[in-house]
Amino acid sequence: KQEVTQIPAALSVPEGENLVLNCSFTDSAIYNLQWFRQDPGKGLTSLLLIQSSQREQTSGRLNASLDKSSGRSTLYIAASQPGDSATYLCAVSLVKAAGNKLTFGGGTRVLVKP
Amino acid sequence: DTGVSQNPRHKITKRGQNVTFRCDPISEHNRLYWYRQTLGQGPEFLTYFQNEAQLEKSRLLSDRFSAERPKGSFSTLEIQRTEQGDSAMYLCASSLVGQVYEQYFGPGTRLTVT
Repeated sequence: KQEVTQIPAALSVPEGENLVLNCSFTDSAIYNLQWFRQDPGKGLTSLLLIQSSQREQTSGRLNASLDKSSGRSTLYIAASQPGDSATYLCAVSLVKAAGNKLTFGGGTRVLVKP
Repeated sequence: DTGVSQNPRHKITKRGQNVTFRCDPISEHNRLYWYRQTLGQGPEFLTYFQNEAQLEKSRLLSDRFSAERPKGSFSTLEIQRTEQGDSAMYLCASSLVGQVYEQYFGPGTRLTVT
């Protein structure tokens, strides 16, 4: 059974500092990995998707890396801003999973202090 | 493209009542997923449809839960005889069958059972 872990569960940084969020998964036979942002009481916003054949994806201040062999992904957010405060979730879909259903980690709650 | 929409956004009901939620996916997306998220946790997969066919149901989906997707368009999720343990955020997502399978989420329906 695929397990996805995100450590730390919560993170507080001063504005301007770079954020590093970690995601680990137990089954390396993944199809893809998605990073999401969730604001309190809201749905999920897709940030980046990395396919299993890729090593990283970038969008603006966001960069996500994927190391399938070690079962890890890292989301980097450069020059953090108070508006980056949210919960960040990673999710993987397995090659053998029907319908590419996602298995989620528990999330990292981020607070960026002005 | 207006994104995935869900209605209602909030539902408060008394234990034992039936509730129904609706999800409208992105128009050209042929896959539709339901997930459930409890406070402080990542979402968990419930079920998914490809067009009108329901292809997988999680063991989380007890006999009191039923989902439909008539004509492969919108979907409904019904919970009969609600229990306090059903209180959660119910999230809907859709994707297009192809190479990437990126899932796009709606804003969710927050259910509170009193």
